Amino acid sequence: DAKTTQPNSMESNEEEPVHLPCNHSTISGTDYIHWYRQLPSQGPEYVIHGLTSNVNNRMASLAIAEDRKSSTLILHRATLRDAAVYYCILRDIDNQGGKLIFGQGTELSVKP
Amino acid sequence: NAGVTQTPKFRILKIGQSMTLQCAQDMNHNYMYWYRQDPGMGLKLIYYSVGAGITDKGEVPNGYNVSRSTTEDFPLRLELAAPSQTSVYFCASSRDRGGTGELFFGEGSRLTVL
Repeated sequence: DAKTTQPNSMESNEEEPVHLPCNHSTISGTDYIHWYRQLPSQGPEYVIHGLTSNVNNRMASLAIAEDRKSSTLILHRATLRDAAVYYCILRDIDNQGGKLIFGQGTELSVKP
Repeated sequence: NAGVTQTPKFRILKIGQSMTLQCAQDMNHNYMYWYRQDPGMGLKLIYYSVGAGITDKGEVPNGYNVSRSTTEDFPLRLELAAPSQTSVYFCASSRDRGGTGELFFGEGSRLTVL
């Protein structure tokens, strides 16, 4: 499975945008880029995913580099409830089990 | 819909005891997964299943067994519990195997082995 690299931690101020980076230099053509987050004492929850084009949903935006070797999760206005560990994961469409292999993630703290 | 339901939420075991963590989903998902998460760490895949009757090992399967007799249920059995199995266990399910499907996670089962 291709690996991802994320910073261990980041800080943000409330109501400011947050850009969470992810490097995946060994990404293959069939890998989708997924982002999940885990709030304290909860199971992970899906945030967003993409293949080549930038994606937007109600929670966040995903910006994917043209060569697909990196991506950035964008939270447009951070709230205290966005404090969580954010995981960037590659999911191969040819992967029989569809399994997600989690890395260490980025712990985001949000200051009021 | 209840989504993914895990029981029990908390359990304390003595070394050498056995137990089963239950996982049920009501979304008719074919794909189910068991993860464990040690304190301060990311999730590690234990076992997964692509449908009733089919299971496969993940990253850390030693000390665990699974079965998938129905689409809805995916129990995880711990045989001869050891302190190293103290962890939070998460069950997840997905409709799709491909890159586009999202995983839905349960709330977790916190297991302590003393």
